[in-house]
Amino acid sequence: GEDVEQSLFLSVREGDSSVINCTYTDSSSTYLYWYKQEPGAGLQLLTYIFSNMDMKQDQRLTVLLNKKDKHLSLRIADTQTGDSAIYFCAETANYGGSQGNLIFGKGTKLSVKP
Amino acid sequence: EADIYQTPRYLVIGTGKKITLECSQTMGHDKMYWYQQDPGMELHLIHYSYGVNSTEKGDLSSESTVSRIRTEHFPLTLESARPSHTSQYLCASWRQGSGYTFGSGTRLTVV
Repeated sequence: GEDVEQSLFLSVREGDSSVINCTYTDSSSTYLYWYKQEPGAGLQLLTYIFSNMDMKQDQRLTVLLNKKDKHLSLRIADTQTGDSAIYFCAETANYGGSQGNLIFGKGTKLSVKP
Repeated sequence: EADIYQTPRYLVIGTGKKITLECSQTMGHDKMYWYQQDPGMELHLIHYSYGVNSTEKGDLSSESTVSRIRTEHFPLTLESARPSHTSQYLCASWRQGSGYTFGSGTRLTVV
């Protein structure tokens, strides 16, 4: 079945770049997403990329998509303590009648040290 | 400002009580979802709906039930709460191209 894998923890120093990696299995996914969850809150859509794109940049965020390897990454430039959160990668599910459902990874907890 | 609202934000109840977690969205989205989130972060889909009068069970077996009588409202009910139901419950709605919009969640503790 479809699956999304990501490493569970990442620790960086303030001002450094953070790179969170994700692999997915469904090559027919139309969109791939990154969500951010701060402590005690729901998930917030951070950014998404359409499957026919290789890269998307939005201020400090850069998303890279390698469709051949089914690899998605999120780069946060000049990481700040406020970026400390859990980051979820997600792909669209396209099996049976579940179109539109998302398959989430288990989340990467980013810790930013001052 | 959130367009999807969950109440209550926090709830502590005794074993055996019946509870309903509320979820409402003002965006007119047809698809809505309930997730249960482990303390260890992983999200588990427990229910979803594709529109009024449509409800489906998700990947994780749950003793809860849902209803979808109106587009904007997707409540989740536990008939008899147990300590194993202690978790965070997240509601979401979906629009193509924009992904999910999540509510702030309900943190449920059953004592």
